[in-house]
Amino acid sequence: DVQLVESGGGLVQPGGSLRLSCVGSGFFFSNYWMDWVRQVPGKGLVWVSHINSDGTNTDYADSVKGRFTISRDNAKNTLYLQMDSLRAEDTAVYYCARRGSFVRRVHWFDPWGQGTLVTVSS
Amino acid sequence: QSALTQPASVSGSPGQSITISCTGTSSDLGAYNSVSWYQQHPGTAPKLVIFDVSNRPSGVPDRFSGSKSGNTASLTISGLQAEDGADYYCSSYTTVTTVLFGGGTKLTVL
Repeated sequence: DVQLVESGGGLVQPGGSLRLSCVGSGFFFSNYWMDWVRQVPGKGLVWVSHINSDGTNTDYADSVKGRFTISRDNAKNTLYLQMDSLRAEDTAVYYCARRGSFVRRVHWFDPWGQGTLVTVSS
Repeated sequence: QSALTQPASVSGSPGQSITISCTGTSSDLGAYNSVSWYQQHPGTAPKLVIFDVSNRPSGVPDRFSGSKSGNTASLTISGLQAEDGADYYCSSYTTVTTVLFGGGTKLTVL
């Protein structure tokens, strides 16, 4: 089965840092673009960042640019999101998601991980 | 960039059909055939139900269908079933933010 499992969420103070991880299994991880999407509890989905298959190209939402860094280790089938200078408004469930195809560039996600909750509060 | 516009809620009785709209602009949804739809039950991760406007992933019932006209996309669920009750999100490619989501629609099966 294709599966994504996130970890690393938790409670952090404003201005602090946290690193999220997402381990992929059941597919050739190194072939696929990967993304992070977040969701404030009770609110909608918001795209955060993506990284191409070999890690040489990344992009970020304006709200996190300069504070968050996406990376991947294909040898470990793992996607990361380093989050620095965290703010209260970064509080959300963070999902990792795989782009739906590696044959061509697509902009839909399948599957998604179960999500990990990040709470930024003093 | 603002989220794509979806109705906050829709409802229908079992066996009926419902349609959820998703409105964007000529810079995002209207410019690309890269609209997708996700179903999310409470406390769970989103699940893809439609990609590239009208394609269904394997395992998604053919009761789910998608379409697009101009700057508006639509998700139609026919023969509503109790388990279809969930939140639904549309998304589109956009050159500004890569992927833009709608605000979400809560589907209640009466």
